[in-house]
Amino acid sequence: QVQLVESGGGLVKPGGSLRLSCAASGFTFSDYYMSWIRQAPGKGLEWVSYISSSGSTIYYADSVKGRFTISRDNAKNSLYLQMNSLRAEDTAVYYCARVAGSITIFGVVIPNWFDPWGQGTLVTVSS
Amino acid sequence: QSVLTQPPSVSGAPGQRVTISCTGSSSNIGAGFDVHWYQQLPGTAPKLLIYLNNNRPSGVPDRFSGSKSGTSASLAITGLQAEDEADYYCQSYDSSLSGSIFGGGTKLTVL
Repeated sequence: QVQLVESGGGLVKPGGSLRLSCAASGFTFSDYYMSWIRQAPGKGLEWVSYISSSGSTIYYADSVKGRFTISRDNAKNSLYLQMNSLRAEDTAVYYCARVAGSITIFGVVIPNWFDPWGQGTLVTVSS
Repeated sequence: QSVLTQPPSVSGAPGQRVTISCTGSSSNIGAGFDVHWYQQLPGTAPKLLIYLNNNRPSGVPDRFSGSKSGTSASLAITGLQAEDEADYYCQSYDSSLSGSIFGGGTKLTVL
């Protein structure tokens, strides 16, 4: 069955770095856009980033632009999120999710909905 | 503050019908972008409930339905059951932000 398993979360000091991984199985990983979405403790969901199936197209939320880098290794069926210059407000459970559908407008692919999601990995930024 | 606005909470008795609204603007729902809904049971990851405004993935009961009109969308749940108690999130795309957006979430309590 389709499965996404995140790892790499933990406690890090403000200004520090962390790299999250997401191992995918049960589907042809290289066919799909993938995304990271986060949820601060007790709060709602916030989209972080997506990456196209080939890795050539990437988008970030303004809140992480310039600090986070999304990447993928299709040979290893893996998605990554390199997080640098971490702040207290980056504390959250980070989910990886498959972009299950997309639309194309004037030649631009717009990721649509997310399914499935992994179980999440907790990142805590604190001194 | 979320770009999509949802009521923080709704409640209903078993067997009743409840609706959860999701209000956007001209750069997202009003621009024609689709709305999707997710259910998050306590302590678990979100799960897709409705996609493309009114489509249910296999395995989702037909008690759940979605609709969209203008700059808003709604999720309706009929025949409420205790296991429906969860947080519900709407999601769409915003052309001004060039990214996906979520509502703030609605906590459903089954009385």
